[in-house]
Amino acid sequence: NAGVTQTPKFRILKIGQSMTLQCTQDMNHNYMYWYRQDPGMGLKLIYYSVGAGITDKGEVPNGYNVSRSTTEDFPLRLELAAPSQTSVYFCASSYRLPPVGEQFFGPGTRLTVL
Amino acid sequence: TQLLEQSPQFLSIQEGENLTVYCNSSSVFSSLQWYRQEPGEGPVLLVTVVTGGEVKKLKRLTFQFGDARKDSSLHITAAQPGDTGLYLCAGGTGAQKLVFGQGTRLTINP
Repeated sequence: NAGVTQTPKFRILKIGQSMTLQCTQDMNHNYMYWYRQDPGMGLKLIYYSVGAGITDKGEVPNGYNVSRSTTEDFPLRLELAAPSQTSVYFCASSYRLPPVGEQFFGPGTRLTVL
Repeated sequence: TQLLEQSPQFLSIQEGENLTVYCNSSSVFSSLQWYRQEPGEGPVLLVTVVTGGEVKKLKRLTFQFGDARKDSSLHITAAQPGDTGLYLCAGGTGAQKLVFGQGTRLTINP
């Protein structure tokens, strides 16, 4: 199993550009999450999904959109990129609900907006 | 808003020393998880504690969940260079989400 894979690993965007961060998991997990991690900070939840077709906002959803058409894929869309969106983005999946489910993380996408 | 505060934020010690990292909140959490993150990688789960007062040991690492389920600690005995990393605590909110602390960056010097 590859686990959780994310693409790309690195990306530089200009202000106002858009892009999609890809996330795929092969563990048949129902729950998937997008986090951002700023330097010296923990992870902040952007969006999450409890199954195909169901998504909900997390702590910091502004400027982002998600979709969940399949169990495996959970892409994160950035519209009109801003410097404040410079961060490392992590996708995670879980086989059962928190609070007791382990979240499996991808390797991250490092995004810089200039 | 539920918050988790970790202390210290940075810790640098010599190999063989003992250390304790703290994770505190004014809110009650249904569970507490500890993750370790290496540079350039995503966090990896170390342990989950769910009962107030619970203590779990993982080799040289000891994790404790406070009686009131508002705080947790991670104690490392005889630290080794391989313990170097970012340690994150995460509280279960009971709403299908985790709240993460800001992390403790630990460096163990040979």
